[in-house]
Amino acid sequence: GAVVSQHPSRVICKSGTSVKIECRSLDFQATTMFWYRQFPKQSLMLMATSNEGSKATYEQGVEKDKFLINHASLTLSTLTVTSAHPEDSSFYICSVGVSGDTIYFGEGSGVAVV
Amino acid sequence: RKEVEQDPGPFNVPEGATVAFNCTYSNSASQSFFWYRQDCRKEPKLLMSVYSSGNEDGRFTAQLNRASQYISLLIRDSKLSDSATYLCVVFPGGSYIPTFGRGTSLIVHP
Repeated sequence: GAVVSQHPSRVICKSGTSVKIECRSLDFQATTMFWYRQFPKQSLMLMATSNEGSKATYEQGVEKDKFLINHASLTLSTLTVTSAHPEDSSFYICSVGVSGDTIYFGEGSGVAVV
Repeated sequence: RKEVEQDPGPFNVPEGATVAFNCTYSNSASQSFFWYRQDCRKEPKLLMSVYSSGNEDGRFTAQLNRASQYISLLIRDSKLSDSATYLCVVFPGGSYIPTFGRGTSLIVHP
């Protein structure tokens, strides 16, 4: 069964609005979660590392005020794309590293901003 | 130079063909290597780990060449269902954050 659950799987939103994506770890506690963005035919690009109970660590070039990350509990991290624009349309994936090099991915969220 | 590089393809092969992908990495201290498979608009899924001694899982063989800093994936007797993007994943030494290649697209046709 799924180890990490991500929701919604697909969302269409109007330009200027915000969209929230949830990432839940099932059956285990995750102090750290990762958020990736993937454009068509491109690699997964790490956006930020979400840390439970503290501020997220953002990668260079990722605007922290635009991509709000909240990791208020050990099983839930949320990514909110604020004031979304068409160029924010992408596939967003969260992941959790449980042990060693094992990566568990959420199912991904396809975001289309129109 | 990118940390992890892959030929994006697409590799277009007939059923039953053998196809090989390579992936190069720049960090010589990298410790762990994996191949993931990703279908369109789906999350990546682990295909296999890559060891220095090489490893095989059915029709799939993965190998690591530390001296030349590349890993390879060989797929024998390709099936239509093998059509996907294959991602090379490398864990830099001392880091628990993986680096992903951009993926190699494989299309297997009848």
